[in-house]
Amino acid sequence: DTAVSQTPKYLVTQMGNDKSIKCEQNLGHDTMYWYKQDSKKFLKIMFSYNNKELIINETVPNRFSPKSPDKAHLNLHINSLELGDSAVYFCASSLTTGRAVAGANVLTFGAGSRLTVL
Amino acid sequence: DQQVKQNSPSLSVQEGRISILNCDYTNSMFDYFLWYKKYPAEGPTFLISISSIKDKNEDGRFTVFLNKSAKHLSLHIVPSQPGDSAVYFCAAKGYGNKLVFGAGTILRVKS
Repeated sequence: DTAVSQTPKYLVTQMGNDKSIKCEQNLGHDTMYWYKQDSKKFLKIMFSYNNKELIINETVPNRFSPKSPDKAHLNLHINSLELGDSAVYFCASSLTTGRAVAGANVLTFGAGSRLTVL
Repeated sequence: DQQVKQNSPSLSVQEGRISILNCDYTNSMFDYFLWYKKYPAEGPTFLISISSIKDKNEDGRFTVFLNKSAKHLSLHIVPSQPGDSAVYFCAAKGYGNKLVFGAGTILRVKS
């Protein structure tokens, strides 16, 4: 039973299209994240939600819109896809941020969603 | 502006020997450091961590050392095993549980 699952695993689409990536965690964590791994292999945070509330929003184009219907789900919607959006997108979750709880600093990642924009 | 740097893109080690992976950071406000391991087509998995108030943390074959004055940490794996072959990411925690990752080091353990 996968702790953090994201779908789809692979996504190939044309420039200008709109696509979504879904993420679900069954760990009972309060905080969820989206990270992007670009061609240089760096993992960079995009967004973070704590109990459905946006707490981190890095400098990401507003074509990217995260949505958290509940604390177990964090979806990523991308409008008007561009070639530069091609990357692997990782969802992650963790225990409540900012508290001295064991394991609170540890993120559990999904397997990634590889997006290719043609 | 890379706040977390892993200057060795790859490392090759003989099975049974020690693997040492290095990481440097620039932000003195980081208060927690983690190492993640990643296999191809999988997400990073947590390996070991260390708080900024400590200088060493050990878990089985894995030990992380932190030198705050040098803003340097290292991961020691001993003895190295072929199954340790993976990409290792160093990460540092900043504000709001935001993890800043290095670019990763590919470790190859030869049998």
